[in-house]
Amino acid sequence: GAVVSQHPSWVICKSGTSVKIECRSLDFQATTMFWYRQFPKQSLMLMATSNEGSKATYEQGVEKDKFLINHASLTLSTLTVTSAHPEDSSFYICSARDGGLAFETQYFGPGTRLLVL
Amino acid sequence: DQQVKQNSPSLSVQEGRISILNCDYTNSMFDYFLWYKKYPAEGPTFLISISSIKDKNEDGRFTVFLNKSAKHLSLHIVPSQPGDSAVYFCAAAGSSNTGKLIFGQGTTLQVKP
Repeated sequence: GAVVSQHPSWVICKSGTSVKIECRSLDFQATTMFWYRQFPKQSLMLMATSNEGSKATYEQGVEKDKFLINHASLTLSTLTVTSAHPEDSSFYICSARDGGLAFETQYFGPGTRLLVL
Repeated sequence: DQQVKQNSPSLSVQEGRISILNCDYTNSMFDYFLWYKKYPAEGPTFLISISSIKDKNEDGRFTVFLNKSAKHLSLHIVPSQPGDSAVYFCAAAGSSNTGKLIFGQGTTLQVKP
């Protein structure tokens, strides 16, 4: 099946620093990528949708200046958490859609666990 | 506002028995539902789906039932196997085909040998 990777798998940073998370589709071209966040014992919450070459669409309540998303190529999207604070500590997971119209063709990465001290 | 809810955080069943995972939703505009399975350190993988025009979809040991009037769906696994032990998420989508999925909180299934 299609493979989506994320890097890093976990990161610890100091409050106030910025952290970049990469999401790559390894064996297919992803026209659309999605970024989710999951707090403990809660559901995956969609943060934003990004289409290659265009600006990301953010969900209500998600600060676009804090969570910068870049989808510069068909195989790579990045999420940068700027000026991270402890409340940003969470599990961030991306998914990539291969251009098909079926929901079943949305493939998820393994996630990145962020801890802000 | 949690539009998709999985009220049971965990479930434990014996190998060979049936596992039933439940999911409730509030938005009547959802018309497509999916179940995902997630192992530790891996991303969710698609398991089975159902359109709102159906009330049942079966794939091998996995069957999803949809009760639109109750806004409820369930995933049945029979017979359950130890390898089925994982976190199961249900997800819902509207008809706009943006790819946007609304997830439940997940249910951790443990199948005991």
